[in-house]
Amino acid sequence: DTAVSQTPKYLVTQMGNDKSIKCEQNLGHDTMYWYKQDSKKFLKIMFSYNNKELIINETVPNRFSPKSPDKAHLNLHINSLELGDSAVYFCASSQVPAGQGYEQYFGPGTRLTVT
Amino acid sequence: GENVEQHPSTLSVQEGDSAVIKCTYSDSASNYFPWYKQELGKRPQLIIDIRSNVGEKKDQRIAVTLNKTAKHFSLHITETQPEDSAVYFCAASWGNFNKFYFGSGTKLNVKP
Repeated sequence: DTAVSQTPKYLVTQMGNDKSIKCEQNLGHDTMYWYKQDSKKFLKIMFSYNNKELIINETVPNRFSPKSPDKAHLNLHINSLELGDSAVYFCASSQVPAGQGYEQYFGPGTRLTVT
Repeated sequence: GENVEQHPSTLSVQEGDSAVIKCTYSDSASNYFPWYKQELGKRPQLIIDIRSNVGEKKDQRIAVTLNKTAKHFSLHITETQPEDSAVYFCAASWGNFNKFYFGSGTKLNVKP
């Protein structure tokens, strides 16, 4: 009964390859997020979708493309991988009551290593 | 946009002592302030949160205080235990699709 799940947990690939990370939540939330956590542990928002609609798009290279087939799934596709893309990528989900913040539930993370 | 600063970056305490981590934020519209704990190799998990209409909230050994005028909030852990060792993140949000602005994290080390 995992709330937010991601696959794969580890991903090792070479520069120039294309890879995808998948995320699913069974909490019934409307909003999902992708975060990047670098080696210094900074948690940086990349994208957010609300009911399949892109609502947050931070300054991220266009090699990164999120896709939300339905509100329970948010995938991240990365083209032409670079060494600097090595990081842990976390998916998260939350409800978004109007005008106020709310807890975000994080997935277990995907450790991406680009060689 | 919002800017959240967190101090200290590392904190080492003896088991049983108290630990305090402080954050400041810049946007007075922020109204939700969660604290997340991230153990090594694990996901961030919420440990306590506070809303802007409350000045203090406590849950067993952890408490959070909020000073809206000064735009700062703090996490207090009393009677620390080795299992409290982790990285702690503060965040601020104001309902803009629940976008979190995270602090840079504090690595807490509790020495037995």
